[in-house]
Amino acid sequence: SQQGEEDPQALSIQEGENATMNCSYKTSINNLQWYRQNSGRGLVHLILIRSNEREKHSGRLRVTLDTSKKSSSLLITASRAADTASYFCATDGRGGGNKLTFGTGTQLKVEL
Amino acid sequence: GAVVSQHPSRVICKSGTSVKIECRSLDFQATTMFWYRQFPKQSLMLMATSNEGSKATYEQGVEKDKFLINHASLTLSTLTVTSAHPEDSSFYICSARPRGLYNEQYFGPGTRLTVT
Repeated sequence: SQQGEEDPQALSIQEGENATMNCSYKTSINNLQWYRQNSGRGLVHLILIRSNEREKHSGRLRVTLDTSKKSSSLLITASRAADTASYFCATDGRGGGNKLTFGTGTQLKVEL
Repeated sequence: GAVVSQHPSRVICKSGTSVKIECRSLDFQATTMFWYRQFPKQSLMLMATSNEGSKATYEQGVEKDKFLINHASLTLSTLTVTSAHPEDSSFYICSARPRGLYNEQYFGPGTRLTVT
């Protein structure tokens, strides 16, 4: 299956600002998940949104899903320097046996 | 809870040798484990799905004879890179799906393989 696309590829903001990352995918999904990866490390699960959900919140994170456009966005509010990382969306496609297809990722840098 | 470990975290090997990477679920049983590969500044690419007690399912383009996967128990899967070449140098990440929890995967910290 093809990877999803994320934009922007890189994003640099000041601490306190909001960061928005977008993800587009190609196939029907059961759910879409967002992960965070610090440089050279494993992945940390941030949030899962099911195909029948449109919006979900978790702390400073807000995720939206538009299945008609096959797209999702991740908003991080009041960003902190510690949020600096790469962020990936991953789709769990229907009939895919829970195999995740990862997007290309957004590298977020939050500067003091 | 839900911790996955990988060993080793880093390995350097000579071209032509084989390297084994372990993936363990420390506090849960994993009926399914997944192996991914990630090149620098790129995304994760699924290599294979490993089910306990059965043969792994490889993604298209992944050589099963080169990347041997064994999932002998509910807490351990191993990936052996056979006859490694410099182009096999990459970051290998595993994930584990807890028994009965279809939508959840927990990722290991990754193994950096460098083949000289």
